[in-house]
Amino acid sequence: GQSLEQPSEVTAVEGAIVQINCTYQTSGFYGLSWYQQHDGGAPTFLSYNGLDGLEETGRFSSFLSRSDSYGYLLLQELQMKDSASYFCAVRSLSSARQLTFGSGTQLTVLP
Amino acid sequence: DTGVSQDPRHKITKRGQNVTFRCDPISEHNRLYWYRQTLGQGPEFLTYFQNEAQLEKSRLLSDRFSAERPKGSFSTLEIQRTEQGDSAMYLCASSLAGTIYEQYFGPGTRLTVT
Repeated sequence: GQSLEQPSEVTAVEGAIVQINCTYQTSGFYGLSWYQQHDGGAPTFLSYNGLDGLEETGRFSSFLSRSDSYGYLLLQELQMKDSASYFCAVRSLSSARQLTFGSGTQLTVLP
Repeated sequence: DTGVSQDPRHKITKRGQNVTFRCDPISEHNRLYWYRQTLGQGPEFLTYFQNEAQLEKSRLLSDRFSAERPKGSFSTLEIQRTEQGDSAMYLCASSLAGTIYEQYFGPGTRLTVT
């Protein structure tokens, strides 16, 4: 089986930096994706890590450590519009044709 | 590129009725996925198509659920004899070949079973 753990809620203020962690347990591992979902909206792809290290896309960065079965999403210069749920998702060898999503982290950005 | 579309956006039905949802993926995407999402949870995989072939189906998926993608373009998801536990958001996503990790989601169909 597979399992992913991420914090259920995170709160930060505008302009700050926030890190959302994700730990996973899978039998075999391809990579870790991150998705953003605003209330009432569809999940939107943010980033993917197939190899160890940091991937940067504008204000968002994502990190992966395969040896630690751990990744994180880093959001810099937080804006009010970043208030949303953030999901990590894994693709594993045992379920290569699907993504398994975590339960999500609700980020609230305060003024 | 008009994105992934789903129809209807909302469906209210009585327990025991059958419902069918439609998904139109991004035209050049040959991979199509169905997910179910309940409040406070991440999307839960239901089934996957590559072109018209249904290649994977969740073991958690009841026999009351069936999906088709007859010509490798749009897809339908049918739920027979709906139960209150089927109430959820049903999401469709599509992706290019080789990019399972980057999926484009539709707005979803919210099903309420009374």
